[in-house]
Amino acid sequence: GAGVSQSPSNKVTEKGKDVELRCDPISGHTALYWYRQSLGQGLEFLIYFQGNSAPDKSGLPSDRFSAERTGGSVSTLTIQRTQQEDSAVYLCASSPAGGPYGYTFGSGTRLTVV
Amino acid sequence: RKEVEQDPGPFNVPEGATVAFNCTYSNSASQSFFWYRQDCRKEPKLLMSVYSSGNEDGRFTAQLNRASQYISLLIRDSKLSDSATYLCVVNPGGGADGLTFGKGTHLIIQP
Repeated sequence: GAGVSQSPSNKVTEKGKDVELRCDPISGHTALYWYRQSLGQGLEFLIYFQGNSAPDKSGLPSDRFSAERTGGSVSTLTIQRTQQEDSAVYLCASSPAGGPYGYTFGSGTRLTVV
Repeated sequence: RKEVEQDPGPFNVPEGATVAFNCTYSNSASQSFFWYRQDCRKEPKLLMSVYSSGNEDGRFTAQLNRASQYISLLIRDSKLSDSATYLCVVNPGGGADGLTFGKGTHLIIQP
């Protein structure tokens, strides 16, 4: 696609429920990144994919978080048993390849856990 | 020490003025550097890459000082539309393992 597409744009969920966030990167971009941004805070790096592989998952905040990417394209970030501290904007970005390239971000998913 | 540090501001600047802000980074092996702009409740957008020799894009000039490990952004003839948060961004490893973002400097251009 022309840009990075994320869905849903907004998600309100009850504490304890599971949520799945989706990212569709720019066509041909092999590198995909997930960040989150809490209100008034900076961006927190979560995980990246080179192709379908995620070499380092240590940025994920807890074992309730998981991510996968299939076909070198769409990625999903899943949060199990959501907690209120998971409330944030989850941003996905892609770039042509690993290395010194700037990223293009999607418009994010605003997650609110009530 | 934080990996990328910026003065959070806000910087209140009259329209037409020149404004500059810096950021410092801790990893001397960092390979690539960027400035991003983020408007309120929007995603960050790449403003410009920062090259060792310094580079200019219209009213914006970026400089890199590797010896002192700081990056600067200069905005000339500021416009109301320049009001935003400016994020200093560093690729610490030179690879695909995630850019490190500063928390940003909030700029307000006043009419």
